[in-house]
Amino acid sequence: GENVEQHPSTLSVQEGDSAVIKCTYSDSASNYFPWYKQELGKRPQLIIDIRSNVGEKKDQRIAVTLNKTAKHFSLHITETQPEDSAVYFCAASKGGNKLVFGAGTILRVKS
Amino acid sequence: GAGVSQTPSNKVTEKGKYVELRCDPISGHTALYWYRQSLGQGPEFLIYFQGTGAADDSGLPNDRFFAVRPEGSVSTLKIQRTERGDSAVYLCASSFTSQGTEAFFGQGTRLTVV
Repeated sequence: GENVEQHPSTLSVQEGDSAVIKCTYSDSASNYFPWYKQELGKRPQLIIDIRSNVGEKKDQRIAVTLNKTAKHFSLHITETQPEDSAVYFCAASKGGNKLVFGAGTILRVKS
Repeated sequence: GAGVSQTPSNKVTEKGKYVELRCDPISGHTALYWYRQSLGQGPEFLIYFQGTGAADDSGLPNDRFFAVRPEGSVSTLKIQRTERGDSAVYLCASSFTSQGTEAFFGQGTRLTVV
């Protein structure tokens, strides 16, 4: 079955700097890659997603890139703000919402 | 309601007891998913419903776990003979369809087996 690995497990950045989180997946049939943000004690919320027919997608300060050949995808957050501090999860699926999640990255933005 | 609602928010039970966890999806969403999240880990898929039927229950860890969605809306996750290893946050998510639409998560039920 699918296996998703996520790095780093923790990431500290200075406010205003960029943050990059990377994930790899094992199943070449996976074609949907969402990213979720989860604040402490709260529900996971979708922040951006990408499908395998696209190499990059951007939404304001957030972007995701996908390399199908290498089977990896990355989340890029620019101009980080304290409210970006949270746990970020990548996930992969074969198109639906039966998702295989990575272990998560704790992002701390220091002001 | 505005979002996916899960009750109770917290449940403490003794080892060996039976528990039921409830999920109210967003109105009109046909797909409903149950996930389990252990501390420091990502959510792990348990079961998925399309309408009233369980389309994929491959994530249920053993036969102590069972879920129903009799009318295609509310779902109940049932755990028999609970064990301490069942302690986790149980998350429910729903989406308008099973493909190509965003999954919205509930706040989860924190289950503690003592």
